[in-house]
Order: sequence, then structure tokens, then C-alpha cells
Amino acid sequence: GQQLNQSPQSMFIQEGEDVSMNCTSSSIFNTWLWYKQDPGEGPVLLIALYKAGELTSNGRLTAQFGITRKDSFLNISASIPSDVGIYFCAGQPGAGSYQLTFGKGTKLSVIP
Amino acid sequence: GAGVSQSPSNKVTEKGKDVELRCDPISGHTALYWYRQSLGQGLEFLIYFQGNSAPDKSGLPSDRFSAERTGGSVSTLTIQRTQQEDSAVYLCASSLGGAPELFFGEGSRLTVL
Repeated sequence: GQQLNQSPQSMFIQEGEDVSMNCTSSSIFNTWLWYKQDPGEGPVLLIALYKAGELTSNGRLTAQFGITRKDSFLNISASIPSDVGIYFCAGQPGAGSYQLTFGKGTKLSVIP
Repeated sequence: GAGVSQSPSNKVTEKGKDVELRCDPISGHTALYWYRQSLGQGLEFLIYFQGNSAPDKSGLPSDRFSAERTGGSVSTLTIQRTQQEDSAVYLCASSLGGAPELFFGEGSRLTVL
């Protein structure tokens, strides 16, 4: 099946620093989504991207849908302690395809 | 309800026993999904429902796993004769008509001893 390669696997950063993580795929996706999961919770949707080249922001978060439709990245600016968690990318192939394929996650730790 | 509700939140069972996990989706969401998350891993797709029908069951790991949905609402995931490798967090999600924006419950953590 389709696989997403998400990197880095984990990050340790100082509070206030910017963060960047990305996802790549061997196949095309028509929708990219980014989720955050806190311990003991289910993933929560952060940003959804629907068109190649699209750049979308949600507060301090910015995500882009790659031009090739095979990649996406997520940036977090001026990190704060509550940004700690696991960030997952997810892709959906296209119309009529309902299944989301998830990356293995980027675990973010923020040092105060 | 306001969000996706799953029960039980934690289940410890002995190898060989059957377990049932329940999901109550967001009201009005016709699509319902089950995913499995093993420790430190991503989310593995299990099954998708549109209404009461399951067009794709290909993610179910073995015939010990089954799921049903009734009334276009509540879904139950059943694991028969549980094995230790079934230990994981089982996540349920729902969406409007199969839209890609999934809303997840908090999961049911299953531990098979």
C-alpha cells in the first residue's frame, strides 16, 4: 500500500525556536492533512491542504502542499511548551478514495 | 454528542478472550473509520463505514477482527480470541460523507496479557 515517509522522527528544540517537519510519498495525494496527538488523546486536525502549491496558516502553524503532490511540510514558529506532542501527516489519494494514509509521526519536545 | 466517544478507554484482557470496542461518532457524520496505533507507531487503517455498509475491510489484520455499524451511528469493533500482538490503541474517527477531515476519539487502549 501507499507509504508516507515523515521526518524527522523526533526533535528537541528550545522554546522560541522555529520547527520544520516534512512528509514525502512515492505516489500522488490530492489532499494533505496535519494532525497533532497529545499523550492519551486522539489526533486533532491542525491544517488541511487541498491544492498543489497551497500554503495555509493556522496561528503559528504553516503548512504547504508540494507542487509535485508527493510532499508536504509543516512549520511551527516561535515554539512554546504546549507544542509538545506527536505530529502526523496524512494523505488522501483523491476523489472517491476515503482512506487516509498516515506517516509515523514526528515527536516534538520543547525545552523551556 | 460534541465529539467522537469511545469506550472503554482502557481494557485489559487475557489471551484468548473476546473483546468489544465501541465508537459513537459525531452526530450527522455518515463516515466512520477504525484505525489501530501500536506503541510509537503511526496509524494503521482497519475499516471504513459509509452509513451501515463497510465498502473496505481490507485493513482488518485477520478473520478474528470484525466490525459492524448500526443505525448509521454506533460502531462496534470485535476482536475474537485475542493475541498479545493485538495490544494497541484502537482509534475511531468520523467525517462528513467521507470528507478527508477526520475527527478522532480518544481511543481504546487494549492490553492482552
